[in-house]
Amino acid sequence: AQKITQTQPGMFVQEKEAVTLDCTYDTSDQSYGLFWYKQPSSGEMIFLIYQGSYDEQNATEGRYSLNFQKARKSANLVISASQLGDSAMYFCAMNLNQAGTALIFGKGTTLSVSS
Amino acid sequence: KAGVTQTPRYLIKTRGQQVTLSCSPISGHRSVSWYQQTPGQGLQFLFEYFSETQRNKGNFPGRFSGRQFSNSRSEMNVSTLELGDSALYLCASRRDEGAHQPQHFGDGTRLSIL
Repeated sequence: AQKITQTQPGMFVQEKEAVTLDCTYDTSDQSYGLFWYKQPSSGEMIFLIYQGSYDEQNATEGRYSLNFQKARKSANLVISASQLGDSAMYFCAMNLNQAGTALIFGKGTTLSVSS
Repeated sequence: KAGVTQTPRYLIKTRGQQVTLSCSPISGHRSVSWYQQTPGQGLQFLFEYFSETQRNKGNFPGRFSGRQFSNSRSEMNVSTLELGDSALYLCASRRDEGAHQPQHFGDGTRLSIL
């Protein structure tokens, strides 16, 4: 069965520093997708970045990049130049089915950015 | 472009009652999924609808049901509410074009059971 593990309950970083949020996954499928979402205290889930299992290049979206190491089954999120508005809960997720219409989430990491 | 809209934002019910939550997807998105988020269990997949048909279902009891209308709007119903049903219920929509398109979430409905 698929599983997502996020081992860091909380992370603290200063503004303008880079931070890495860890995510490891377990699946027996060869084709899968990995997603990162941000959830501010208001509750909405904001899609950040996606990595497909067959993508050879690491995904990047602005200040977000995904460090994908397939052999180690890890998909860490790197946020460069942290901003105060980055303070939120971050979830790593993987599709539960091939179509990607159901996601399994990790427990999340709370990121706190200070000035 | 309007995002996913969920109503109501907050709801208070008592045990034994039933509740209906509504979700309007992003225009053009035909797949709608529902998730339950609690402090103890985290985010869990409830079910997914596409073209008015339930296409996938998570591991939840039959008290949790849903439907989708021809305009892709979806409703979720929970009957015989229990204290453990207190949660944030999130709806997500997605283009159904190719694998691994991201799901886009609404702001959620926070349900409290007294």
